[in-house]
Amino acid sequence: AQSVTQPDARVTVSEGASLQLRCKYSYFGTPYLFWYVQYPRQGLQLLLKYYPGDPVVQGVNGFEAEFSKSNSSFHLRKASVHWSDWAVYFCAVRRTGGYKVVFGSGTRLLVSP
Amino acid sequence: EAGVTQSPRYAVLQEGQAVSFWCDPISGHDTLYWYQQPRDQGPQLLVYFRDEAVIDNSQLPSDRFSAVRPKGTNSTLKIQSAKQGDTATYLCASSRDWGGRDEQYFGPGTRLTVL
Repeated sequence: AQSVTQPDARVTVSEGASLQLRCKYSYFGTPYLFWYVQYPRQGLQLLLKYYPGDPVVQGVNGFEAEFSKSNSSFHLRKASVHWSDWAVYFCAVRRTGGYKVVFGSGTRLLVSP
Repeated sequence: EAGVTQSPRYAVLQEGQAVSFWCDPISGHDTLYWYQQPRDQGPQLLVYFRDEAVIDNSQLPSDRFSAVRPKGTNSTLKIQSAKQGDTATYLCASSRDWGGRDEQYFGPGTRLTVL
């Protein structure tokens, strides 16, 4: 069965600094991978998705992620963080052709001035 | 295009009380999901519908939880006798099947507190 690990429960970044949120997945094969963001008292919004192809995926608001099969990783990056990026970020995995999406435990991003 | 809507947004119950959550998916979306999200955790799938049929309810505590989608549109999730461990946010999501490449769109959730 597929699983996702987000090793950092909380990350603090200064506004304007670069960001990397880590995600490791476990799945025998090539999965579909997703990053979602959850703002306070809101549902999840899709930031970006990976389907087999180009390993670097561009998302909304300057976010991107890079798929690495050798490292079983799908880390999220942003070159310059804005205060409005303060939220919880979830990595998720779904097996190819399946329907069940498995979420990680989330990383809370705090942005300091 | 209207998003996924859920009601109520908040619910507070005593143990043993019943509660129902309602979800209206995006028009045209044939698949609907209910997730449970405990505080500071990721969402966990409870049940999944394709049109009116339940495809997977293996994670639904069947003795107290039930979910229906009678016309393949709106859906109701019901907890018959709530426990403190049911305290969580309940999220509804919908998608349109594109041969396995569908995206799930989430509603704002219902935050349940069981005292």
